[in-house]
Amino acid sequence: GDSVTQMEGPVTLSEEAFLTINCTYTATGYPSLFWYVQYPGEGLQLLLKATKADDKGSNKGFEATYRKETTSFHLEKGSVQVSDSAVYFCATEKLVFGKGMKLTVNP
Amino acid sequence: EAGVAQSPRYKIIEKRQSVAFWCNPISGHATLYWYQQILGQGPKLLIQFQNNGVVDDSQLPKDRFSAERLKGVDSTLKIQPAKLEDSAVYLCASSSHGPTYEQYFGPGTRLTVT
Repeated sequence: GDSVTQMEGPVTLSEEAFLTINCTYTATGYPSLFWYVQYPGEGLQLLLKATKADDKGSNKGFEATYRKETTSFHLEKGSVQVSDSAVYFCATEKLVFGKGMKLTVNP
Repeated sequence: EAGVAQSPRYKIIEKRQSVAFWCNPISGHATLYWYQQILGQGPKLLIQFQNNGVVDDSQLPKDRFSAERLKGVDSTLKIQPAKLEDSAVYLCASSSHGPTYEQYFGPGTRLTVT
């Protein structure tokens, strides 16, 4: 079955720093890929998704490109804000989630 | 539109007791999911319903867990008897169609088994 591997956390960054959260997957075929985010005290919500190879998902300044060659879907943001502090989960359409990575952004 | 509703928000029980969780999905959403999220891990799918039929329950511990979705709307998840390792947050989510569509998650029920 599918599996998802995310980089280990937690991670602490200063405001305006560059963010990369690595995500690699194993799957049969080319499933849709998702990034979900959980802000403190809130439920999980979709951040972005990509439905096929080379697609780029983007939302709120975050981007992730579906790379079938490297089976990766890394999340990036050029300049993080304090409000980006949250736990980020990578997932496949087979409903397999990574362990999540907690990000804290300090002013 | 109203989001996914879950109750209760918190529950503490002793091992070997039974417990039930309730979920009301977003109106019109055909697909409903129950997940178990243990502290420090990602959500793990327990069961997926399409309308009132089960699509996937391969990871549901059927000797103690059961779930139903009456009339393709509300759903209940039951644990009987509970074990210490069932302590987790139980998440309900719904989507308009299948898993390639955005899932909307409820706030979850935090279960503590003592």
